[in-house]
Amino acid sequence: DIVMTQSPDSLVVSLGERATINCKSSQSLLHNSNNKNFLTWYQQKPGQSPKLLIYWASTRESGVPDRFSGSGSGTDFTLTISSLQSEDVAVYYCHQYFSIPWTFGQGTKVEI
Amino acid sequence: QVQLMESGGGLVKPGGSLRLSCAASGFPFGDFFMNWIRQAPGRRPEWVSFINGGGTTVFYADSVRGRFTISRDNAKNSLHLQMNSLTVDDTAVYYCTRGVSSDSWGQGTLVIVSS
Repeated sequence: DIVMTQSPDSLVVSLGERATINCKSSQSLLHNSNNKNFLTWYQQKPGQSPKLLIYWASTRESGVPDRFSGSGSGTDFTLTISSLQSEDVAVYYCHQYFSIPWTFGQGTKVEI
Repeated sequence: QVQLMESGGGLVKPGGSLRLSCAASGFPFGDFFMNWIRQAPGRRPEWVSFINGGGTTVFYADSVRGRFTISRDNAKNSLHLQMNSLTVDDTAVYYCTRGVSSDSWGQGTLVIVSS
């Protein structure tokens, strides 16, 4: 199974400041069939289901604010919130869909 | 817009069974892979099972293989998860999600396995 490890486990950021979350996979998520990384980022607020932010490691889902960006390739990935807003307080998960079983990182809690 | 609505959760004793359902709307259901993903309280999501659009290919997590069965009815735009021999470790919110990348999630249905 591919193990997904996020860092840090939690993050305290001031309003308007940058938040950076890292995700490392135990195997490369870059598929040679389409040269894409099979990685998504989700945001989960208390009592809600996860919401897709980023897919293919760096493509923003429609409707997601452009302060959210994803980067990285292979085994190392980053989610960046360029200017943290109060509504961004949540737990963020990375997720690989490169090979079954799909797996998730342990989550990073972002607080203000 | 895409809507996924799970139902069928509840309280069940260890060894018992439940059948979860997911009603889908707003997209061509039969064209999409579908998943069940669960999340125990305070834990990361855990993928449970996957089914292709035609219902001919299924996969399961090791933790549920042999106990859970995923199925779909494309005529009724519905996804199902039959859960047998439940244990306390199966306690979680169960979500249905769309596509290989799980781009849409339902609101979830809570399954509690307890004596």
